[in-house]
Amino acid sequence: DAGVTQSPTHLIKTRGQHVTLRCSPISGHKSVSWYQQVLGQGPQFIFQYYEKEERGRGNFPDRFSARQFPNYSSELNVNALLLGDSALYLCASSWEGQYTGELFFGEGSRLTVL
Amino acid sequence: GENVEQHPSTLSVQEGDSAVIKCTYSDSASNYFPWYKQELGKRPQLIIDIRSNVGEKKDQRIAVTLNKTAKHFSLHITETQPEDSAVYFCAASSGAGGTSYGKLTFGQGTILTVHP
Repeated sequence: DAGVTQSPTHLIKTRGQHVTLRCSPISGHKSVSWYQQVLGQGPQFIFQYYEKEERGRGNFPDRFSARQFPNYSSELNVNALLLGDSALYLCASSWEGQYTGELFFGEGSRLTVL
Repeated sequence: GENVEQHPSTLSVQEGDSAVIKCTYSDSASNYFPWYKQELGKRPQLIIDIRSNVGEKKDQRIAVTLNKTAKHFSLHITETQPEDSAVYFCAASSGAGGTSYGKLTFGQGTILTVHP
């Protein structure tokens, strides 16, 4: 079975530009979460979507937005890029249930803002 | 919101020794505590997790303990091997209603180095 897939794997942008990152969850998983991991730190929660609805938002500015599609894939959009947005962006999927919840991470999209 | 503190930031042990990493959390509503291992340039991978209705869980050389009263949980690795070298992250989640497990608050990470 395919795991969580993300694209692109690496990208370089300049300040002020816009970026779209894509994620396909594991088949059957209806929840997708996005995390930002700055070098040397733990992942920080950005968004969670479940059944195409936003279920949680982390402490990130409005420049960050996301959506989930009917097939449960997801996009993360970042506008007006800043140097500080350079990070590894991780997507994770899970099968939400009362006694489950393990997050399966993709390999990430490494964004460099120059 | 939830805050997770992790210690130590770096840990160096000899092969065969034990390693212990400790985390504290602030939100008493948190009820799910996973541990992730991240090798250089790779994605985080779950190695063990524990829920608030359990005090200890073991899986071969890895164990996790949870003290809900003190709001801390620990990862124990016995008989360490060089391939255990990686960054380890603890995390916490409230998991309320089964739809919040996607929102994990991570610790800052521990760089574990196991010397042959």
